[in-house]
Amino acid sequence: KNEVEQSPQNLTAQEEEFITINCSYSVGISALHWLQQHPGGGIVSLFMLSSGKKKHGRLIATINIQEKHSSLHITASHPRDSAVYICAVRSLGAGSYQLTFGKGTKLSVIP
Amino acid sequence: EAQVTQNPRYLITVTGKKLTVTCSQNMNHEYMSWYRQDPGLGLRQIYYSMNVEVTDKGDVPEGYKVSRKEKRNFPLILESPSPNQTSLYFCASSETRYTEAFFGQGTRLTVV
Repeated sequence: KNEVEQSPQNLTAQEEEFITINCSYSVGISALHWLQQHPGGGIVSLFMLSSGKKKHGRLIATINIQEKHSSLHITASHPRDSAVYICAVRSLGAGSYQLTFGKGTKLSVIP
Repeated sequence: EAQVTQNPRYLITVTGKKLTVTCSQNMNHEYMSWYRQDPGLGLRQIYYSMNVEVTDKGDVPEGYKVSRKEKRNFPLILESPSPNQTSLYFCASSETRYTEAFFGQGTRLTVV
């Protein structure tokens, strides 16, 4: 079973700071998801990656398949970015039917 | 608007009283799944469905049942709820298991 580790667990940043959240996993995957969960609970899919890099607005996600590692970057952070960011992986083979989740990174952006 | 709708959003019930949490999607997605989220444990998969009449267990299926009689609906059934099933539940759907997931708003269940 894939083990997914996120770091840091908690992160406090000043507005406009550049933020990086890391995710590592233990076995090969077919895809990695970055999710955002705001206070109040709703979950939104930010990115799905299987290689390389994706960008959406101020958010950038990268993945290194060989190193089993992904990063989520937020440029020019804003208080509305305050949320829990969750990494999830879909393993290869029989494991591809399920997503395995990290425990999340709680981000607080202070004005 | 493309969405996954869960009902109810909040539910307080008593031990042993059967309940159903409904999940409906309007995107004609094949793949649907249920997750529970608990502090310190994160999200864990309960059940998933590849298509109509095709369901299978996730990591924590004990105490839960599901059915997929129609493509759009994937209800979660707790036949005899217990306090350890107090949790935040999410339904999700995707076109296939390899595509982006869309999540419902969540159902906060308390079993007393």
